[in-house]
Amino acid sequence: QKEVEQNSGPLSVPEGAIASLNCTYSDRGSQSFFWYRQYSGKSPELIMFIYSNGDKEDGRFTAQLNKASQYVSLLIRDSQPSDSATYLCAVNTGTYKYIFGTGTRLKVLA
Amino acid sequence: GAGVSQTPSNKVTEKGKYVELRCDPISGHTALYWYRQSLGQGPEFLIYFQGTGAADDSGLPNDRFFAVRPEGSVSTLKIQRTERGDSAVYLCASSWGQGTHNEQFFGPGTRLTVL
Repeated sequence: QKEVEQNSGPLSVPEGAIASLNCTYSDRGSQSFFWYRQYSGKSPELIMFIYSNGDKEDGRFTAQLNKASQYVSLLIRDSQPSDSATYLCAVNTGTYKYIFGTGTRLKVLA
Repeated sequence: GAGVSQTPSNKVTEKGKYVELRCDPISGHTALYWYRQSLGQGPEFLIYFQGTGAADDSGLPNDRFFAVRPEGSVSTLKIQRTERGDSAVYLCASSWGQGTHNEQFFGPGTRLTVL
């Protein structure tokens, strides 16, 4: 079992819809969780992070964390074609180390 | 302010050659990471520096890979006797420290192609 798992996609959603991206992790001791967006040929850029159970909202983005079920998700409301990218989930295991998933490719159709 | 910079942006080399990849982190960031990203994969941890010392080099694939950060700022990743399998994008990231909530800022990466 991989430490951080994501569906590679592509996940296709129409413009204006909600995109839901999921990530599961294996280390129960994981403490903080990060979502990065990566456009093709570019480096990852942080969207948001979460470390407490529940929801955290930032503009059109909401991160959801459920430590008991070991999953974290990212919701993107009112999806735009410019949101089309690969979304990487990263997990901090409690020290300096960040483990990344393989990413989910999102396509927002105009 | 300036972000993380990496040079060169692209490097094409022949199998067996030696290459150096440079990372200049954000000023004041003590933590520096090197990752390798292959097509369709997430960044794979290579090495972590806290200050000048390599606190964890467990991700380096073998002894052909080595990295330094002599003055606690700029870091160089060195690859000896390159192989075609070394072809990937090498990403550098820096952060303020090693706390679990510290955001990592990534550089633009160096795309290494070994022919």
